[in-house]
Amino acid sequence: SQQGEEDPQALSIQEGENATMNCSYKTSINNLQWYRQNSGRGLVHLILIRSNEREKHSGRLRVTLDTSKKSSSLLITASRAADTASYFCATDAGGFKTIFGAGTRLFVKA
Amino acid sequence: EAGVAQSPRYKIIEKRQSVAFWCNPISGHATLYWYQQILGQGPKLLIQFQNNGVVDDSQLPKDRFSAERLKGVDSTLKIQPAKLEDSAVYLCASSHPGQHTGELFFGEGSRLTVL
Repeated sequence: SQQGEEDPQALSIQEGENATMNCSYKTSINNLQWYRQNSGRGLVHLILIRSNEREKHSGRLRVTLDTSKKSSSLLITASRAADTASYFCATDAGGFKTIFGAGTRLFVKA
Repeated sequence: EAGVAQSPRYKIIEKRQSVAFWCNPISGHATLYWYQQILGQGPKLLIQFQNNGVVDDSQLPKDRFSAERLKGVDSTLKIQPAKLEDSAVYLCASSHPGQHTGELFFGEGSRLTVL
């Protein structure tokens, strides 16, 4: 079963614009992670935010977490064509296994 | 540091045949995961090992899928007999339990096509 659900399913923007994708989950978590997957490749870890954190930054990435709404958002600022990929949120359901959502497919047009 | 190695990268078989995928995790990573990713979907956890032991295999179709982790290092995932719906990418990942980031390191995946 999927714990997280990303929204939107797909997003197309121009280079230089910001991209925002959201993740909602069902049960309590200890942490939430975001991963990127380029076409035909494995997943790459981007950032982890713990349940007692509300916001975290890493380069052009900004992640927020609202545990009261069971939701998180990933913001990519000043997007580049190289950011074209699928983005997945992942939560630690049960505290020991990592469950992924269905992903948001981002396309950045040059 | 070498990453997670998987083989083969691609495999095409006919239904009812068998197939095996191999994974070598990052050295020192005690936790190993097999995920199934169907086209257009997120990865679904099939089985999780902690050293030699199985932590979770609740979503592994045990009538046709099996997995083992020899000596707590390499792992093999087998499908026998394969069905059309098994067409997917099989991703192996590993993590270090002592690493509190919770980060999973993924291999490039093994893409299976069942005809």
